[in-house]
Amino acid sequence: GAGVSQSPRYKVAKRGQDVALRCDPISGHVSLFWYQQALGQGPEFLTYFQNEAQLDKSGLPSDRFFAERPEGSVSTLKIQRTQQEDSAVYLCASSLGGEINEQYFGPGTRLTVT
Amino acid sequence: ILNVEQSPQSLHVQEGDSTNFTCSFPSSNFYALHWYRWETAKSPEALFVMTLNGDEKKKGRISATLNTKEGYSYLYIKGSQPEDSATYLCAFIGYTGNQFYFGTGTSLTVIP
Repeated sequence: GAGVSQSPRYKVAKRGQDVALRCDPISGHVSLFWYQQALGQGPEFLTYFQNEAQLDKSGLPSDRFFAERPEGSVSTLKIQRTQQEDSAVYLCASSLGGEINEQYFGPGTRLTVT
Repeated sequence: ILNVEQSPQSLHVQEGDSTNFTCSFPSSNFYALHWYRWETAKSPEALFVMTLNGDEKKKGRISATLNTKEGYSYLYIKGSQPEDSATYLCAFIGYTGNQFYFGTGTSLTVIP
């Protein structure tokens, strides 16, 4: 595809449900990032992959959050036992690699936990 | 957690006015600074990647400068147009890791 895609675009989950958010990066992009954006805030880093390796997961807020990228392309962010404070927009971005390459963002998934 | 601040938080200007806003970041362990433009209902788009102190980058009517010693970057828009209305985000990247630390953005509204 031409850009980064994310699905679903909107997700409503009842408190306690598990959710899975998908990110399809630009083909050939080595780096993949997940961000959480709360209302009125800038994106906050969650985790970073280089190919299939998760090099940094220090931004994941709790052990209920888990991300994977098993074949170095598509990535899934899973949130177990969702809580209301998990409500946010989850953004995925990919880049050619390295900190000096610009990131290309997907449209985000808006998660609402009721 | 690193503190990346952007000011002002929001800005309303008349069409044709020139404007600028600031991104402040830690001056130590600097590696790179990114500027992104985020229009409503769209994805953030990269404007500039800046790495060198004194860097000045330009794209059309938009330009940016970088001062890594004092920890700030300015984004300038000359002759603002309604289509410039968006949130402008900066992201600091340090040597300490792969994390991109985003500011909260400056929301620009250009009034026709």
